[in-house]
Amino acid sequence: GAGVSQSPSNKVTEKGKDVELRCDPISGHTALYWYRQSLGQGLEFLIYFQGNSAPDKSGLPSDRFSAERTGGSVSTLTIQRTQQEDSAVYLCASSIPSRGGTRMNTEAFFGQGTRLTVV
Amino acid sequence: GQNIDQPTEMTATEGAIVQINCTYQTSGFNGLFWYQQHAGEAPTFLSYNVLDGLEEKGRFSSFLSRSKGYSYLLLKELQMKDSASYLCAVNDYKLSFGAGTTVTVRA
Repeated sequence: GAGVSQSPSNKVTEKGKDVELRCDPISGHTALYWYRQSLGQGLEFLIYFQGNSAPDKSGLPSDRFSAERTGGSVSTLTIQRTQQEDSAVYLCASSIPSRGGTRMNTEAFFGQGTRLTVV
Repeated sequence: GQNIDQPTEMTATEGAIVQINCTYQTSGFNGLFWYQQHAGEAPTFLSYNVLDGLEEKGRFSSFLSRSKGYSYLLLKELQMKDSASYLCAVNDYKLSFGAGTTVTVRA
């Protein structure tokens, strides 16, 4: 597609349920990020995928959170046993990875996000 | 680890100039980005600096000093539509964001 696509755009779930959030990056972008943004806050890094390398999971807040990326394209973020504090907008972004020392622009393009509300 | 600091809020008058500072301490550096985010929307790219100096793009300019771990975003001829959050992001090998600066433009 032309841009990063995320689904669903909104999700309301009951506390304790599992949810899956989907991200379809821009074709050819090998780098993919998941961020979380609570109301009025900055972007909290969750996980980073780059090609076939092992993902950087250092931002995942607990073992209830997991993510995978199939075939180097679509990614799914799964939150198990959701809690009210998980309520936030989950943003996905993709980019071409940087090559250190060059001026190559490696801007990340964001999807519109999934607004998750846990009730 | 990464530490990226920017002011929380700034207010300016329409037509004026505002400078948003960003300081960073990161384990590596492959460029610094500025993003704009309007309320309820996704961040959009504004500028990119990888070498020291000033990058100008219309009403917006961004400056970088790698030795000082410092950048600023300069917004000139402010318009009401520039009211938004401005996010500083550093790419070491992944993109890490500051908390953002909310700019309010008043008539």
